Amino acid sequence: AQSVAQPEDQVNVAEGNPLTVKCTYSVSGNPYLFWYVQYPNRGLQFLLKYITGDNLVKGSYGFEAEFNKSQTSFHLKKPSALVSDSALYFCAVRDGGDSSYKLIFGSGTRLLVRP
Amino acid sequence: KAGVTQTPRYLIKTRGQQVTLSCSPISGHRSVSWYQQTPGQGLQFLFEYFSETQRNKGNFPGRFSGRQFSNSRSEMNVSTLELGDSALYLCASSLAGGRGDTQYFGPGTRLTVL
Repeated sequence: AQSVAQPEDQVNVAEGNPLTVKCTYSVSGNPYLFWYVQYPNRGLQFLLKYITGDNLVKGSYGFEAEFNKSQTSFHLKKPSALVSDSALYFCAVRDGGDSSYKLIFGSGTRLLVRP
Repeated sequence: KAGVTQTPRYLIKTRGQQVTLSCSPISGHRSVSWYQQTPGQGLQFLFEYFSETQRNKGNFPGRFSGRQFSNSRSEMNVSTLELGDSALYLCASSLAGGRGDTQYFGPGTRLTVL
C-alpha cells in the first residue's frame, strides 16, 4: 500500500536561514510526488512535483525538492526562509503502479519562521 | 483562469441532517476529487470523478456520495450527519486525473455538525 511519512510535526527556523521539511514515501511502482502548502483557512496550494527526470525539482516561491530513490525521500528545501513561509506543508504521493490515481497525503509539517 | 471554487464556504448543521457541497473546477479540467481534512485523520480521499463517472472511492461509508455534471461541476452529499463529519471538505480539479496531473484545490467548505 502507498504511504507517506512526514516525521516532523513542526520545524522551526530563523528568517534568512535555509529550511528543510522532510518526506519519505512507500509505493509499489514508480512514485509521483507532490508538495502543497496550506495557509490558515485556505485550501492547499501546489508548490512542486516530481514525475521523472532531474532529481532536483524547482517550484513556486523559491522552493525546491530533491528526489532520492535509494532513500525513498522527497525533502522540501528553501535556501533562505521568509516569515511569510510559515504555514502547514503537505507531501503527497501517487503510485505509478496503482490504478487508483488518488493522492495519499502525509500528516503535515508546520513550519514556523521566526523573525 | 479562475481557480477552483467551492460553495458554501461555511455550513452549520445538526446531527441527522443532510448536506450538499458544490465544487466548480478550473475551466477545461475534467477530473474532480474530494478530500476530507480533520485534525485527527488528516487529509483523506473521498472520491474522484471524471466525465460524470466515479472512478475511485475512498474508505468512507455510503452516507458520503457525489456526482459530476456534464460541465464537470461536482457535488458531494453527506446524509444522516454525525458529529464526526465535522471537517474541512476540499475539492480539487485536474486536467484528466492522470498520475502526473497536478490537482488544484479550492478553498474548502468548513462543515460543523452540532
